[in-house]
Amino acid sequence: SYVLTQPPSVSVAPGKTARITCGGNNIGSKSVHWYQQKPGQAPVLVIYYDSDRPSGIPERFSGSNSGNTATLTISRVEAGDEADYYCQVWDSSSDHPGVVFGGGTKLTVL
Amino acid sequence: QVQLQESGPGLVKPSETLSLTCAVSGYSISSGYYWGWIRQPPGKGLEWIGSIYHSGSTYYNPSLKSRVTISVDTSKNQFSLKLSSVTAADTAVYYCARESGAAAGTNYMDVWGKGTTVTVSS
Repeated sequence: SYVLTQPPSVSVAPGKTARITCGGNNIGSKSVHWYQQKPGQAPVLVIYYDSDRPSGIPERFSGSNSGNTATLTISRVEAGDEADYYCQVWDSSSDHPGVVFGGGTKLTVL
Repeated sequence: QVQLQESGPGLVKPSETLSLTCAVSGYSISSGYYWGWIRQPPGKGLEWIGSIYHSGSTYYNPSLKSRVTISVDTSKNQFSLKLSSVTAADTAVYYCARESGAAAGTNYMDVWGKGTTVTVSS
């Protein structure tokens, strides 16, 4: 089955740029989606189709995807961005197609 | 505005069947989209359980497939999850979600329920 690898944690100072990676075999050929989850809340979609933002998501959130790595970039990080972030793809390469999530990355704002 | 609401028992005994329902408001399930279930064990990440199309076609996580059944009731505008032979490892917050995607193989969850906690314990 397809595996998505994320760093367990990323730390960044307020006002700086955070980059959260999501690694997978030839992930650049897939559509990658990103979710933000704050404690006690349901996940919220922040990026879909690699780099599109749903309405209501600040322009500070952006995404890219190439080769074996997809990246979620958060510019001008704010305290309110502290959360867990998950990448997700649809894996159609195996005998059992379906949704795959990365293990999640905890973003800490210093 | 589309809203999803999970419901079902918060406590299930080991070896029994977990049953949850997701009520959809603001959109008719029979109009389209896939509808999915995702769970999150305490302190852990998200795990996809499975998805169903309004026509009834399903996709399941291979690791759970032998124990999972997802069904849809368009007359009640809801879909359901059954997970059999549960153990403590099935203790989790269970979310339902709508899956969007412009093309096959690009699904993402754009609307989520608030989640419901299910504990497996005797």
